[in-house]
Amino acid sequence: GENVEQHPSTLSVQEGDSAVIKCTYSDSASNYFPWYKQELGKRPQLIIDIRSNVGEKKDQRIAVTLNKTAKHFSLHITETQPEDSAVYFCAARSHSGAGSYQLTFGKGTKLSVIP
Amino acid sequence: DAGVTQSPTHLIKTRGQHVTLRCSPISGHKSVSWYQQVLGQGPQFIFQYYEKEERGRGNFPDRFSARQFPNYSSELNVNALLLGDSALYLCASELFPPNAYNEQFFGPGTRLTVL
Repeated sequence: GENVEQHPSTLSVQEGDSAVIKCTYSDSASNYFPWYKQELGKRPQLIIDIRSNVGEKKDQRIAVTLNKTAKHFSLHITETQPEDSAVYFCAARSHSGAGSYQLTFGKGTKLSVIP
Repeated sequence: DAGVTQSPTHLIKTRGQHVTLRCSPISGHKSVSWYQQVLGQGPQFIFQYYEKEERGRGNFPDRFSARQFPNYSSELNVNALLLGDSALYLCASELFPPNAYNEQFFGPGTRLTVL
């Protein structure tokens, strides 16, 4: 099955600096890679996603890059703000048999933005 | 439009008891997936249902079962509760039949505590 590794597990940045979170995956057949932001006690919220037919996608201060050959993808947050502080999860969607496609998540990165 | 809804919000049970969690997908969505999120970890896939049929099952014991009803709502049942079953249980729905590219929409989760 799919395996997703995420680094770092914790990240502290000064307000206004950039933050980068990296993930690798194992199943070359995975084609959909979402990123979620989760605040304490709340549901994961999709912040950006990328599909395998593109290498980069940007939405305001957030960007994601995908390297299918190397099987890794990264989240970039520029001009960080205190409200960006949360746990971020990467995920990969893969076929798990009999018409099932599951999301496999990384272990998460706790981002702290210091004012 | 209402998003994915789950009930109850919180639940406290004791070891050995049984629990039923409920999920209503976004209107028009026919696929529902269940995830378990233990504190400090990423969500782990439990089940996926589409058109009332089980399409996939994660690496969970037989104490975990689920079903989907004709209105596409779903129940997750856990028997003989263990302390390790304490977690946030997330339901996610999607518009199309499960495939490699769909976005999943998460509900707010049910926080289960087993004492």
